[in-house]
Amino acid sequence: DAKTTQPTSMDCAEGRAANLPCNHSTISGNEYVYWYRQIHSQGPQYIIHGLKNNETNEMASLIITEDRKSSTLILPHATLRDTAVYYCIVRVLPLNNNNDMRFGAGTRLTVKP
Amino acid sequence: DTEVTQTPKHLVMGMTNKKSLKCEQHMGHRAMYWYKQKAKKPPELMFVYSYEKLSINESVPSRFSPECPNSSLLNLHLHALQPEDSALYLCASSQGQTNTEAFFGQGTRLTVV
Repeated sequence: DAKTTQPTSMDCAEGRAANLPCNHSTISGNEYVYWYRQIHSQGPQYIIHGLKNNETNEMASLIITEDRKSSTLILPHATLRDTAVYYCIVRVLPLNNNNDMRFGAGTRLTVKP
Repeated sequence: DTEVTQTPKHLVMGMTNKKSLKCEQHMGHRAMYWYKQKAKKPPELMFVYSYEKLSINESVPSRFSPECPNSSLLNLHLHALQPEDSALYLCASSQGQTNTEAFFGQGTRLTVV
């Protein structure tokens, strides 16, 4: 029972912004939205996370809708090295040793020259 | 040091062999995870240890046996595996009680012959 829905694949031109959507319509009030990416044959890499406010770091921005049912990861200036599978994950704050982190199918982003 | 180290990087084993995968981190993280990833699929959660106690076992067959001897080490003991168990095995760690990110190792590529 997937908590998130993402497009299977997306293309983006190099230098342009990549906007990756994620639907999490059943998200609970205590669940955070995390984004990871996995470049071919490497371990997943953390990108960003948020609860309800928009977040920005050196890698990306995360926009969460007011109802929290969907979010968008934005890579502002995509490069060829951003080609990867991007995973949107919903997880609770890990209190009481509940460290549960499960991946959905993800979006395969291809950045083209 | 924000590294999760997995050894070996590659392993070929016969169906009657016993082998172990090792994962190590020195970030003071108290949650550690094992994932299995087949080609072109997302990582699939197998086990989670929280504060050295097994907190999640995703109904993994008993031929996979996890062990957490201390807060820095996580092992996965393998015995009587099947060819379909061939996959990339990923280890991850996170702080444990806060909403911080998880760090992943580069994985062990396992081939069962």
